[in-house]
Amino acid sequence: EIVLTQSPGTLSLSPGERATLSCRASQSVSSSYLAWYQQKPGQAPRLLIYGASSRATGIPDRFSGSGSGTDFTLTISRLEPEDFAVYYCQQYGSSPTLTFGGGTKVEIK
Amino acid sequence: QVQLVESGGGVVQPGRSLRLSCAASGFTFSSYGMHWVRQAPGKGLEWVAVIWYDGSNKYYADSVKGRFTISRDNSKNTLYLQMNSLRAEDTAVYYCARDYGVGARAKGFFDIWGQGTMVTVSS
Repeated sequence: EIVLTQSPGTLSLSPGERATLSCRASQSVSSSYLAWYQQKPGQAPRLLIYGASSRATGIPDRFSGSGSGTDFTLTISRLEPEDFAVYYCQQYGSSPTLTFGGGTKVEIK
Repeated sequence: QVQLVESGGGVVQPGRSLRLSCAASGFTFSSYGMHWVRQAPGKGLEWVAVIWYDGSNKYYADSVKGRFTISRDNSKNTLYLQMNSLRAEDTAVYYCARDYGVGARAKGFFDIWGQGTMVTVSS
C-alpha cells in the first residue's frame, strides 16, 4: 500500500499570501496519478486537481499542482478567504487500492 | 443537477449490521464506477470500496474486507453498502462518490460526492 504523508499539518497564513502544501508518497506514484481535494467544515470534499497538475472543472487558476514520482505539491498563489480549509492528497496509481494523505489544514493567521 | 444523496446511517451496537444507500440523479448512473469513502470524527479520509459501472468488479479496503459488501441497482440509480459485524472503529461519516472516469475507463478519483451519512457504532 502506498502511504501518503502531507506536510505541514497546519499552515497559518494571511489572505493574499501564497500557500505551498506537500504530499510525499512512500513509493513512486505511477503516471502521476495523484489528486487533491479541499474540505470545509461540515462539507464533503471537493476535487481540485487530478493527474498531479490538471485542474478540475470550475477550479480557479490560483490553485495549481505539480510534482511526480514521490513528491507532489499543491500551491495556492494568493489565498482568498474561502480557501481556508483542509486539503487532502490521494493517489490512484495503485488502483483499485486507493489511499489518502492525512491532510493539511490551512488556517487564518 | 448532478447529485448523490446518502441515507441509512444511525446508531448501531457492535456486531450488528447496517445498510447504507446512495441515490444518484442528474447523470447516467449506469456509466460510472462508484465508491464509498469514510471519515471518522475529526480524522482524515479513508477509501472503503469501489464497484465498477456494471457491477462486474468490486474491491475493498483491507479494514472492511469480509465484513462490508458494495452493490448497486442501476435500474434504481442506487448504490449500497451492506455493513456487517460492525466495530467501534467503523464509526464515521460515510460518503458515496462518483468515479471521474466513464465506463471501463474508471480512474480511481472522485468528482462528485454526497453530503454523507453518519454511522455510530456504540453499545
